[in-house]
Amino acid sequence: KQEVTQIPAALSVPEGENLVLNCSFTDSAIYNLQWFRQDPGKGLTSLLLIQSSQREQTSGRLNASLDKSSGRSTLYIAASQPGDSATYLCAVRGDGTQGGSEKLVFGKGTKLTVNP
Amino acid sequence: SQTIHQWPATLVQPVGSPLSLECTVEGTSNPNLYWYRQAAGRGLQLLFYSVGIGQISSEVPQNLSASRPQDRQFILSSKKLLLSDSGFYLCAWSVASWFPNTQYFGPGTRLTVL
Repeated sequence: KQEVTQIPAALSVPEGENLVLNCSFTDSAIYNLQWFRQDPGKGLTSLLLIQSSQREQTSGRLNASLDKSSGRSTLYIAASQPGDSATYLCAVRGDGTQGGSEKLVFGKGTKLTVNP
Repeated sequence: SQTIHQWPATLVQPVGSPLSLECTVEGTSNPNLYWYRQAAGRGLQLLFYSVGIGQISSEVPQNLSASRPQDRQFILSSKKLLLSDSGFYLCAWSVASWFPNTQYFGPGTRLTVL
C-alpha cells in the first residue's frame, strides 16, 4: 500500500528566503508525482507534475525534483513571498504494476507561512 | 476554458439526515470525475471515480454513494449521515486519456455533521 509522507508538517520563514519542502513515498512503482497548493478553505491548484521518467520540472520560482528509486521528491521555492503562504500537497499516481493501485495518493501536506 | 463547480459551498446537517453534493464541469467532454474527502488531520482520500456516465468505482466502503447521471455531472449522496462524514469534499476532473494526467479540483464543500 502506497504511503506518502511530507516533512515538515509546518514551516515558517521570513520573506525572501529560499526553501525546500520534502515528500517521500514508499512504493517506487509510480507513474507520476504532482505538487498542489491549497489555500485555507479552498480547493487544490496544481503546481507541477513530474512524470516518472523525468528528474525535475520548473515553473517560475518553483522547481520540483523527483528521485523515483529512493522514493523522494522536493519542491524548491525561490525568493519566497507572503503570497506563497498556503498548504502544499504532494501526490503520487501508481503505475498499476505489481498489484499496486493507479489512484492518486496524497500526503497530509506542509503548511507554509511566509512572514513579511 | 474548463471550469468546475461545486455546491453547496458549506453545509451543516444533523446525524441521520440525507446528503446530496453536486459537481459539474464545463468546457470539456467525457471527463474522468473524482470525489475526495479531506478530514481534519488526514490527507485527501479518494472516495469515488467515474470514467463515464453511469460508471462509478468506489475506493472506500462507507455509507456514501456516487452517481453520474450526465456526462459532466457527478453527485455524492448519503441516505443517513454519520458524525465521521464531516470534512471537506472536493470534486476533481481530468482529461480522459490512456495515460494519467493532471487532475483539476473544484472549490470544495465544507460539510459539518452535528
